[in-house]
Amino acid sequence: EPEVTQTPSHQVTQMGQEVILRCVPISNHLYFYWYRQILGQKVEFLVSFYNNEISEKSEIFDDQFSVERPDGSNFTLKIRSTKLEDSAMYFCASSVNTGSYSNQPQHFGDGTRLSIL
Amino acid sequence: ELKVEQNPLFLSMQEGKNYTIYCNYSTTSDRLYWYRQDPGKSLESLFVLLSNGAVKQEGRLMASLDTKARLSTLHITAAVHDLSATYFCAVGLPDPGANSKLTFGKGITLSVRP
Repeated sequence: EPEVTQTPSHQVTQMGQEVILRCVPISNHLYFYWYRQILGQKVEFLVSFYNNEISEKSEIFDDQFSVERPDGSNFTLKIRSTKLEDSAMYFCASSVNTGSYSNQPQHFGDGTRLSIL
Repeated sequence: ELKVEQNPLFLSMQEGKNYTIYCNYSTTSDRLYWYRQDPGKSLESLFVLLSNGAVKQEGRLMASLDTKARLSTLHITAAVHDLSATYFCAVGLPDPGANSKLTFGKGITLSVRP
């Protein structure tokens, strides 16, 4: 079964450094998302992306964050200057369709555990 | 702001018994999803519920949706150890034609004991 793949599985970075998290969504999916989960807490929405532009972003997704689809397969999340509180599991997700009456779930990757030192 | 609440947050279940867990949400929605997460793993989609009265079953799990009460239930029949995991419900706001975020509850951690 096709799946969302994320790399790396674990990233350790010094505070203030830039980090890029990579995702390959399922190939026929059109909608892409990033979520994060701080250890032991709920999953929080960061950003959604469709047709090469951001559709929606949360308050967490400030100027330090950016997303890009540099080619036909990859979807990346960049954090420009990492902070300690950015430590979390970051999940990429994709879906075929969405919105009202969408019968398709968002499919999640295995996540990248980001540790900021 | 959409709020999603799940309760209880932790449930210790005895093998072979039946249990029900709940998901409440605060505003009108037409999409509710249940996901399972094993420790350190990703979120696996279990059910998509789209309409009032929708009921879906997979193995020992049955999910239902009452949009009027803004409530979804996940019923577990004859719990087995393999069902030990954290179960999240997630709700999407009505937004025809556009992609929209999911708002997750805090999750319910189920632990099945012999």
